[in-house]
Amino acid sequence: DVKVTQSSRYLVKRTGEKVFLECVQDMDHENMFWYRQDPGLGLRLIYFSYDVKMKEKGDIPEGYSVSREKKERFSLILESASTNQTSMYLCASSSTGFIGYTFGSGTRLTVV
Amino acid sequence: RKEVEQDPGPFNVPEGATVAFNCTYSNSASQSFFWYRQDCRKEPKLLMSVYSSGNEDGRFTAQLNRASQYISLLIRDSKLSDSATYLCVVNEGRDDKIIFGKGTRLHILP
Repeated sequence: DVKVTQSSRYLVKRTGEKVFLECVQDMDHENMFWYRQDPGLGLRLIYFSYDVKMKEKGDIPEGYSVSREKKERFSLILESASTNQTSMYLCASSSTGFIGYTFGSGTRLTVV
Repeated sequence: RKEVEQDPGPFNVPEGATVAFNCTYSNSASQSFFWYRQDCRKEPKLLMSVYSSGNEDGRFTAQLNRASQYISLLIRDSKLSDSATYLCVVNEGRDDKIIFGKGTRLHILP
């Protein structure tokens, strides 16, 4: 069964902490994505990557960075966590020539 | 104008009924379309792709109307387990730019 695995289901961090969210896929997909999902706002794209060491800003990149050192792994970094970054974070992957995403199970991050 | 628009609902429908909802999109050059299902506190999962000729999978039928720029999802003989949020997803084709609707909540009532 193909999978996108996110390292944590729930995280609680303090304001100002550096936070790492990890995502690993085993489908040899080229494309990987980070979204956040908030009530009433839907899914919003933070960053995406079409290849190793490549990254592109999505719609709301401010306060985030990413790293893709290996094809299967895409990390989201919150440089200095703030309370407005409390959200559900979803990682997704897809093959080239989009035919649908596979999502990870999500990380619910609370910043206090 | 919003790029992909859905009625947020909730749609409260008795078990066994037929329910349908639409999703409109603004970019006429959009190339592919999908319906995703998201259960409460879970990740979205692909329900079905939407083809120009329509697509049926059991009790679910998806249709595309390019002239009016909308896609639809029809659920027949609804089950309690169909309760979820249904997300419309549009691939605009420009660098695979993917747009999500905010979802339609469906509650199937016993």
